[in-house]
Amino acid sequence: GAVVSQHPSRVICKSGTSVKIECRSLDFQATTMFWYRQFPKQSLMLMATSNEGSKATYEQGVEKDKFLINHASLTLSTLTVTSAHPEDSSFYICSARLNSYEQYFGPGTRLTVT
Amino acid sequence: DAKTTQPPSMDCAEGRAANLPCNHSTISGNEYVYWYRQIHSQGPQYIIHGLKNNETNEMASLIITEDRKSSTLILPHATLRDTAVYYCIVRVGSSGTYKYIFGTGTRLKVLA
Repeated sequence: GAVVSQHPSRVICKSGTSVKIECRSLDFQATTMFWYRQFPKQSLMLMATSNEGSKATYEQGVEKDKFLINHASLTLSTLTVTSAHPEDSSFYICSARLNSYEQYFGPGTRLTVT
Repeated sequence: DAKTTQPPSMDCAEGRAANLPCNHSTISGNEYVYWYRQIHSQGPQYIIHGLKNNETNEMASLIITEDRKSSTLILPHATLRDTAVYYCIVRVGSSGTYKYIFGTGTRLKVLA
């Protein structure tokens, strides 16, 4: 299957700072990528749909000014958690759409805010 | 959006078939059912998907009821490495705007 990478795999940051997470499709171009958040022992919750060259579409209840998404190229989307707080600590996972039927997930980024 | 309901956990003996059920009673006619699994602290891995017909690939089989309100994922010969959380997902939206709605998942434990 196609490969999606995320960087970093884990990050620790101080409360009030911002942190950027990268999602790359390594062997295909993806006009659409998705960002999910997963709390311990819970399912994945879709945060937003990232569209190359246009603004992201956020799910209800997700603050767009706090979770900044940029999809500047067909192989890269970034999620920036601004002014992070301990409650933002979570496992962030991206996925990239290959076509109408196939979507591949990255390995996830574990964010810890102290 | 259509939602899925899955049992929270199941055990299966190694070498036996694992049958994982999923209810999606509010699914619409053009919404696909997908199955992914997630091994601890990793990204979800694709298993199989279907619309109406039963599907089979090298990993699993997917049985969808005629009314499409439920489906079953079958791992024909479970191994210890199949221990994971299995998610039944409905793909909602229209062409160009598809997105996945994850259910709560079934934690499958394969026992030696």
